[in-house]
Amino acid sequence: SQQGEEDPQALSIQEGENATMNCSYKTSINNLQWYRQNSGRGLVHLILIRSNEREKHSGRLRVTLDTSKKSSSLLITASRAADTASYFCATAVNYGQNFVFGPGTRLSVLP
Amino acid sequence: NAGVTQTPKFQVLKTGQSMTLQCAQDMNHNSMYWYRQDPGMGLRLIYYSASEGTTDKGEVPNGYNVSRLNKREFSLRLESAAPSQTSVYFCASNGGQYYGYTFGSGTRLTVV
Repeated sequence: SQQGEEDPQALSIQEGENATMNCSYKTSINNLQWYRQNSGRGLVHLILIRSNEREKHSGRLRVTLDTSKKSSSLLITASRAADTASYFCATAVNYGQNFVFGPGTRLSVLP
Repeated sequence: NAGVTQTPKFQVLKTGQSMTLQCAQDMNHNSMYWYRQDPGMGLRLIYYSASEGTTDKGEVPNGYNVSRLNKREFSLRLESAAPSQTSVYFCASNGGQYYGYTFGSGTRLTVV
């Protein structure tokens, strides 16, 4: 079974709206990361949040982490068509030796 | 440009054939990884190398072997390809547990 699970599996919004994706995980983590994958491309690292942090911002991205609920959320504000992609959360396990990825959320931003 | 380079980008194999996927990084990272990506499954770790000279199995190592040739290069070998190994393969490197992975652009492999 997956360590991390994103929710929803797919999301369609209009340009300018905000998009929120959630990630739940099962075991204790060192940190949690979010990645973006455009169709047919490799994954691109977006943001990392450590287990002792609760919120982090990067440009239009806002990530929260609730270790008591074992969950994280990624908020993309004022979305653009270029934000259309799949988004994955990854949790660091094995003392950070490697990361386990969830199945992803497919985001479509309609012009 | 700094990053992770994978070759080839596309490959079609017949069942039973062998091949090696090449990966090289120029960021002086200690850790390197091989993942496979299948629809609806996310990425699954095949093998990883925490440092030059070491390799460890991931979640789905059966049917694969790896070699950490030096700090820059980490290759993945399919000794006898099977249709179940049809997938997109990604190599990644990492500079430490509080840094993100840098991924290559992937190898799309089809086994017929």
